[in-house]
Amino acid sequence: KNQVEQSPQSLIILEGKNCTLQCNYTVSPFSNLRWYKQDTGRGPVSLTIMTFSENTKSNGRYTATLDADTKQSSLHITASQLSDSASYICVVSDRGSTLGRLYFGRGTQLTVWP
Amino acid sequence: EADIYQTPRYLVIGTGKKITLECSQTMGHDKMYWYQQDPGMELHLIHYSYGVNSTEKGDLSSESTVSRIRTEHFPLTLESARPSHTSQYLCASTGAGDTQYFGPGTRLTVL
Repeated sequence: KNQVEQSPQSLIILEGKNCTLQCNYTVSPFSNLRWYKQDTGRGPVSLTIMTFSENTKSNGRYTATLDADTKQSSLHITASQLSDSASYICVVSDRGSTLGRLYFGRGTQLTVWP
Repeated sequence: EADIYQTPRYLVIGTGKKITLECSQTMGHDKMYWYQQDPGMELHLIHYSYGVNSTEKGDLSSESTVSRIRTEHFPLTLESARPSHTSQYLCASTGAGDTQYFGPGTRLTVL
């Protein structure tokens, strides 16, 4: 069973609008949570990374929040642009081994229309 | 942008052929990974390496094999490709801070 669940599965918004993507996880012990952006046909690119003690992290128009108590994270995109169209993947690390195992969500497919 | 490269980007081959997917990084990272990703699905770890001459199987069982003779190079080989191997294969490496840098991926289609 996937331990990282993302919602919605897909989302369509108009250019200039804001949106929020959700990530719920059951991974334990928790080490950190990352949001990646994956353009079609490309590899994922890291947007933000948050540890247990951090509850918000920004990267330009992207703002990620983390509630380690409820095991929830969100990624807020402000003033969306056409180039924001991509899959956004939530990844949780457990540090349960020297590998620092990563658990991947299936992603939210965001489409921004002009 | 990370300096991690994968070739070929796209590959269409027939069943039974032997293939090697190349992955190289110029960042001097010790840890490298291979993931398999089907459309709309999460990434699954199939192989990883902590350094030269170190390779391990990941969470998802795979008929592929890997080698790590040089730090910068982590090729993946399928001895006899089958249609079930059709997927996207992503290579990644980890540096300081544990952020994984991904290559552009190889989309493999086996007919």
